[in-house]
Amino acid sequence: NAGVTQTPKFQVLKTGQSMTLQCAQDMNHNSMYWYRQDPGMGLRLIYYSASEGTTDKGEVPNGYNVSRLNKREFSLRLESAAPSQTSVYFCASSGRASSGNTIYFGEGSWLTVV
Amino acid sequence: RKEVEQDPGPFNVPEGATVAFNCTYSNSASQSFFWYRQDCRKEPKLLMSVYSSGNEDGRFTAQLNRASQYISLLIRDSKLSDSATYLCVVRLTYNTDKLIFGTGTRLQVFP
Repeated sequence: NAGVTQTPKFQVLKTGQSMTLQCAQDMNHNSMYWYRQDPGMGLRLIYYSASEGTTDKGEVPNGYNVSRLNKREFSLRLESAAPSQTSVYFCASSGRASSGNTIYFGEGSWLTVV
Repeated sequence: RKEVEQDPGPFNVPEGATVAFNCTYSNSASQSFFWYRQDCRKEPKLLMSVYSSGNEDGRFTAQLNRASQYISLLIRDSKLSDSATYLCVVRLTYNTDKLIFGTGTRLQVFP
């Protein structure tokens, strides 16, 4: 089972460059999320999508855009990367709240902005 | 105040010890609670859900205290393989799939 797949796993960007992190899930989940994790800060929600065609801002959305292309895919875009966006990014998905709501994570994308 | 707060640790315990972590949450309307485990440089994975009546899974026991707004995780007979970071997770309302994570408590079990 693939579960949640995110790419790339590692990326180095120069300040001002743009890039898109891709995420796909094969569990037919409605909800998808993008988190970033920094030392001492824990996981912080960037954006989430409760269903295809809808997106909502999380705790730290500035500097990011997202696109829920279809039920399977949820991408995160950095339009103009900044060193403060150096972090580990996790994509995740979950089923409906009423069904237990376990959230499954991808393996993470390590992004460094120099 | 953070919505979900945990003691970052580290908790250093010998094999066989019992260790307990607490997590407090600020929103009294919070509906669902979970403990996730995260190994170094890996993604978080569900350890167990936390039910109002408390629940046990092998050496792990989770409890919820709504009046004081905290949840706890008890690990008995600690193993070296239990060394990880334990994340407290809260879902704020019944009909949302939005989850809030604590910063995690690091556990190190030594021989």
